[in-house]
Amino acid sequence: QVQLQASGPGLVKPSETLSLTCTVSGGSIGTNYWTWIRQPPGKGLEWIGYVYYIGSTNYNPSLDSRVTISVDRSKNQFSLKLRSVTAADTAVYYCARHGSGSWAYYMDLWGKGTTVTVSS
Amino acid sequence: DIQMTQSPSTLSASVGARVTITCRASQRISSWLAWYQQKPGKAPKLLIYDASRLDSGVPSRFSGSGSGTEFTLTISSLQPDDFATYYCQHYNSYPWTFGQGTKVEIK
Repeated sequence: QVQLQASGPGLVKPSETLSLTCTVSGGSIGTNYWTWIRQPPGKGLEWIGYVYYIGSTNYNPSLDSRVTISVDRSKNQFSLKLRSVTAADTAVYYCARHGSGSWAYYMDLWGKGTTVTVSS
Repeated sequence: DIQMTQSPSTLSASVGARVTITCRASQRISSWLAWYQQKPGKAPKLLIYDASRLDSGVPSRFSGSGSGTEFTLTISSLQPDDFATYYCQHYNSYPWTFGQGTKVEIK
């Protein structure tokens, strides 16, 4: 049974870089698209971007200039870096898997989420 | 970006009630729409994809319909476990966007 677990610092200072890693267990990262989504406190969901297992990416234009998502197939992990963070980046960050098949860009498996607070 | 608008924002209903949530897209999205259920403190869970396909293990009381710009999620007989917030998400074109959510409360 495939599971996703996001990890990383829970507190990041303003202007610094938020770095999170999602570990895929119980299955291979070598298929599917893998994505990051965030949810500010009390608010809705925002898609950040995805990485394909071969390393190609696509980002939300609202975050494109600050985001890098990468994959490490040897560790069965994919990662998120968000630069120059502000308080508006405070959120629960989820990693998720896209479905299989053509144009399956819904998220069929989610990790539990990790809370990141931006504060000095 | 394609805007997704859900209605209502909050819905109060009794156990056993039939519940319908609407999601409207600002542009045509064919059938590229998913529905998720989220409970407090938990990650969203996929219910329906491609507008009407039930994900594996999802109870048959959930159903989805629609295409183009208007979509609905129906719960045929609301159960205690169904009280949650529901989100729609399009995946027609980048960026994927979500509706603002519909909270289903106990009446």
